[in-house]
Amino acid sequence: DQQVKQNSPSLSVQEGRISILNCDYTNSMFDYFLWYKKYPAEGPTFLISISSIKDKNEDGRFTVFLNKSAKHLSLHIVPSQPGDSAVYFCAASGGVSGSARQLTFGSGTQLTVLP
Amino acid sequence: SQTIHQWPATLVQPVGSPLSLECTVEGTSNPNLYWYRQAAGRGLQLLFYSVGIGQISSEVPQNLSASRPQDRQFILSSKKLLLSDSGFYLCAWSAGQQYQPQHFGDGTRLSIL
Repeated sequence: DQQVKQNSPSLSVQEGRISILNCDYTNSMFDYFLWYKKYPAEGPTFLISISSIKDKNEDGRFTVFLNKSAKHLSLHIVPSQPGDSAVYFCAASGGVSGSARQLTFGSGTQLTVLP
Repeated sequence: SQTIHQWPATLVQPVGSPLSLECTVEGTSNPNLYWYRQAAGRGLQLLFYSVGIGQISSEVPQNLSASRPQDRQFILSSKKLLLSDSGFYLCAWSAGQQYQPQHFGDGTRLSIL
């Protein structure tokens, strides 16, 4: 049972344009959402996160939007750059007590930014 | 700043051999520590997490075990490896407060022959 889904395995965007990566979740207990970027042979790198009390969080070129009623989040990258080409994972956590927040990951979307 | 180290980067082991993967974190105290595995063609799966020295929680039944002998050291072990243990193993840390991101090491590629 996939609780976090990234339905697009790949996305190609022209340099300078907006990249929009999407993610859906099913577990209504999730209250913290994150995006990671991963290059081959490296671990995921944290990009940006959002808690469920917000619907938008912005950090430079990266903005994450959360639609709780639709159980949907998206990552916008503006403007896209060739160095942004990587696999992007969304992740979610919540519904557990204590300080360890276990992440549930989506399957990833390969973003290719074309020069 | 905080850094996380994992080694080795790649490992080839025969079936039935033991395993020890080590992860250390620098620049922070009392972190939460995590072991994940990514099997071929699949997403990241949480194996173990720890909120303090000697405290280990297991997420899935398996052939592996974890230990935390020091505050910033997390070890993944097996007494006898199986073919199904092949995969990409990632260690991560986070601060102990709520709503803190996890930060990952560069992983170990484990191949069982």
